[in-house]
Amino acid sequence: DTGVSQNPRHKITKRGQNVTFRCDPISEHNRLYWYRQTLGQGPEFLTYFQNEAQLEKSRLLSDRFSAERPKGSFSTLEIQRTEQGDSAMYLCASSERTGWNTEAFFGQGTRLTVV
Amino acid sequence: RKEVEQDPGPFNVPEGATVAFNCTYSNSASQSFFWYRQDCRKEPKLLMSVYSSGNEDGRFTAQLNRASQYISLLIRDSKLSDSATYLCVVNMRSGFTGGGNKLTFGTGTQLKVEL
Repeated sequence: DTGVSQNPRHKITKRGQNVTFRCDPISEHNRLYWYRQTLGQGPEFLTYFQNEAQLEKSRLLSDRFSAERPKGSFSTLEIQRTEQGDSAMYLCASSERTGWNTEAFFGQGTRLTVV
Repeated sequence: RKEVEQDPGPFNVPEGATVAFNCTYSNSASQSFFWYRQDCRKEPKLLMSVYSSGNEDGRFTAQLNRASQYISLLIRDSKLSDSATYLCVVNMRSGFTGGGNKLTFGTGTQLKVEL
């Protein structure tokens, strides 16, 4: 498998529960991004890693969200005390560090539904 | 003002028509520019990069005007298979000292090509 892999593909959770998503980027890619997308909107930036360093986190992200990339390979995104407004598609993307004009490859996403 | 703005459409055009999408961005320090395509319930995929000199890939032509902070995509002889959402994407240098960047997406423009 040479693409970006995300698990699970779908997650239904009750409000107030914690959830964790996993992203496995393309193996030689050292940049990894998390985005959130709701219906009718473009992907919204959440956070960005270069290797294991989290270089930027969106101001829109509350303290309930945390992301890690402990060994510079796979990444996890955790949402604590989920709210109905967290329902969305969570997309992970990766790219090589070869300059500005580099293509980002997306995984198929994890669709979260908070009930 | 949004960092990347697009007309959400939908654009409903007959097969064979020429259609143009526009996009404006707010950060004059933006480094690189792309058009991504997203099919319904799928992940975004790179359609083409956008260069200052303009670039063409078959029926698709992209142009960039840095002075006006404006990007365009022209699709000639549209096909039914072109029906999708077209996302304007800008690569902005992140606030983190030492580098890093993030891809910022517009809301997307929906295209429907009809018989």
